[in-house]
Amino acid sequence: DGGITQSPKYLFRKEGQNVTLSCEQNLNHDAMYWYRQDPGQGLRLIYYSQIVNDFQKGDIAEGYSVSREKKESFPLTVTSAQKNPTAFYLCASTVLRTGFYGYTFGSGTRLTVV
Amino acid sequence: AQSVTQLGSHVSVSEGALVLLRCNYSSSVPPYLFWYVQYPNQGLQLLLKYTTGATLVKGINGFEAEFKKSETSFHLTKPSAHMSDAAEYFCAVNPSNDYKLSFGAGTTVTVRA
Repeated sequence: DGGITQSPKYLFRKEGQNVTLSCEQNLNHDAMYWYRQDPGQGLRLIYYSQIVNDFQKGDIAEGYSVSREKKESFPLTVTSAQKNPTAFYLCASTVLRTGFYGYTFGSGTRLTVV
Repeated sequence: AQSVTQLGSHVSVSEGALVLLRCNYSSSVPPYLFWYVQYPNQGLQLLLKYTTGATLVKGINGFEAEFKKSETSFHLTKPSAHMSDAAEYFCAVNPSNDYKLSFGAGTTVTVRA
């Protein structure tokens, strides 16, 4: 079955560490997105990519980095510059064509700073 | 700028009662509108979407929503709540036709037996 796989499901980070969250899709979708979810704040866009080797900052990109070397993969690195990284991170994807049909989401990664 | 406002962060209903979740958006162009549901520690699942055409949209699990351009609203309803409807619901809008979604803050639904 096609879908989006996020790993790991739970991740613990020590102060000052960089960590990378994985997002892989086998839907042949063109665009991929990373959102951060905090209680009561909905989802906020971190980065997105509509084509391989290109990506754009979202609303809260500071302290994060991404790459898009393959169409199927869009990993997110949470750097030590992100001062409050504890959150639930969601990856999503969509196909780019006439009209817009919304996103398919992965099951999320919960990141906790210890 | 906030594009989506969900009125009420928590809604509690009795089993069998009407579920009504409110969503208002701000957009200068005809938007695409969505409702998603999220169960604890899971991703979001699409309930329904409005793109063009009929303004009353039916989705999965008995939910429906009506696009009212004059009121800039897209409220979600279900005639009879079930215990399995307990979840968090998000309204989302694509305000500028650029394949990016803006989400509301979410409404948590609790269903009382």
